[in-house]
Amino acid sequence: ETGVTQSPTHLIKTRGQQVTLRCSSQSGHNTVSWYQQALGQGPQFIFQYYREEENGRGNFPPRFSGLQFPNYSSELNVNALELDDSALYLCASSGDPVVTDTQYFGPGTRLTVL
Amino acid sequence: QQPVQSPQAVILREGEDAVINCSSSKALYSVHWYRQKHGEAPVFLMILLKGGEQKGHDKISASFNEKKQQSSLYLTASQLSYSGTYFCGTANAGNMLTFGGGTRLMVKP
Repeated sequence: ETGVTQSPTHLIKTRGQQVTLRCSSQSGHNTVSWYQQALGQGPQFIFQYYREEENGRGNFPPRFSGLQFPNYSSELNVNALELDDSALYLCASSGDPVVTDTQYFGPGTRLTVL
Repeated sequence: QQPVQSPQAVILREGEDAVINCSSSKALYSVHWYRQKHGEAPVFLMILLKGGEQKGHDKISASFNEKKQQSSLYLTASQLSYSGTYFCGTANAGNMLTFGGGTRLMVKP
């Protein structure tokens, strides 16, 4: 158990809809990173939030957006869902990104887009 | 650019050893190793922070060759519980991870 929680566990949406995924970070961590993991592949970095600001972004379009709250929990929003967005979405919490730190993953949200 | 892992898959008998390699075309700040079982989240194994560093716990260890821009994970006397997919992740200065494609490891009795 990492202390990182995500909700919901599973989600089914249709093309064009919008979705919000949630992540609660481990106690003492102020950084949340989001990853997309397609079936049979490694996790791909979406973006990172540090102290409520986006601290870095991977190669994902603007319809992927996020938020981080004062308690360091975070949301991932995806607009105009496409079939290729079907994946396991993982969040990971860690300490200050200025130092290399272990990222602890939550159990993930499995998103299916029909 | 994502690191390249090899082999892509390996099947072992219980008690056998395995080595998983992770290579990058870019300079590495650190290397992070995770194991993921089917339907579960990646579980942290270890992190290597500088060239020449070696770490290990139980019968799993890793090395980091900064000059060669590669890391290796060593699994000794494998157990059934070692089955899963192993990922290496390389971090940039902001601690954002780029993962390799994974190595599927199956340990049979």
